[in-house]
Amino acid sequence: GQNIDQPTEMTATEGAIVQINCTYQTSGFNGLFWYQQHAGEAPTFLSYNVLDGLEEKGRFSSFLSRSKGYSYLLLKELQMKDSASYLCAVRDPDSGNTGKLIFGQGTTLQVKP
Amino acid sequence: DGGITQSPKYLFRKEGQNVTLSCEQNLNHDAMYWYRQDPGQGLRLIYYSQIVNDFQKGDIAEGYSVSREKKESFPLTVTSAQKNPTAFYLCASSPHRAGNTEAFFGQGTRLTVV
Repeated sequence: GQNIDQPTEMTATEGAIVQINCTYQTSGFNGLFWYQQHAGEAPTFLSYNVLDGLEEKGRFSSFLSRSKGYSYLLLKELQMKDSASYLCAVRDPDSGNTGKLIFGQGTTLQVKP
Repeated sequence: DGGITQSPKYLFRKEGQNVTLSCEQNLNHDAMYWYRQDPGQGLRLIYYSQIVNDFQKGDIAEGYSVSREKKESFPLTVTSAQKNPTAFYLCASSPHRAGNTEAFFGQGTRLTVV
C-alpha cells in the first residue's frame, strides 16, 4: 500500500524558521506536492518536486530526497498568516502522469507572536 | 477568470436523504476528482474521472455516486447508504497529463447530517 506520514501539529514563533517533514512509502515515485490550507478553505498549491534537491520560492522552499522517501517544506520569516495546515501529497504511482494524488494527514502549524 | 466552483458552501441533510454536491470548472481540464476531508485524516479520494463519460472509484466510494456527462461538471451524490456523511468535501481538477501542473481545488462544501 501507499503511505505518507507528517507530524500532526507544530508550533513556531513569528519571524522564525520552521521545517515540516514528510516521509512516504510508495510502490513508485512520480512527483511530490505541498499545499497550504487555511481552515474551511481550499488547498492552494505551494511547490512541486520530482528531482532531488531544493526548490526555493520566496519564503517557502521544498526539498526532496527520493532515495530516502523524504521531503520537507521550509518556511522562513514566519508570519501570523502562515498559520494553516500544510498537506504533503504524492502523485499516485499507479496512475502514470495524471493529477491523481495521495495525501498525508496534514500538519497544522500555529504561529505565535 | 478560470477556476473551479463548488456549491453550496454549506449543506444540511436529514438522515435517509440523498444530496448532490455541485462542482463546475472552466479550466478546460480533462480530469476531475472528489475528496473527503475529516479532522486529522487528510484528504481521501472518493471518485475521479479522467475523461467525459468515464469515472473510477477511489479509496472510499461506498455510499457515493458520480456522473460526468460534461467536461465542465462532475457532481457528487451522497446517498443514504453513506453511514457517516458529515464531512468537508473538496472537488479538484487537473490536466489529464498533469506533469508538474498542480491540481486546482474548489472552495469546498461542508455537509452536515441533522
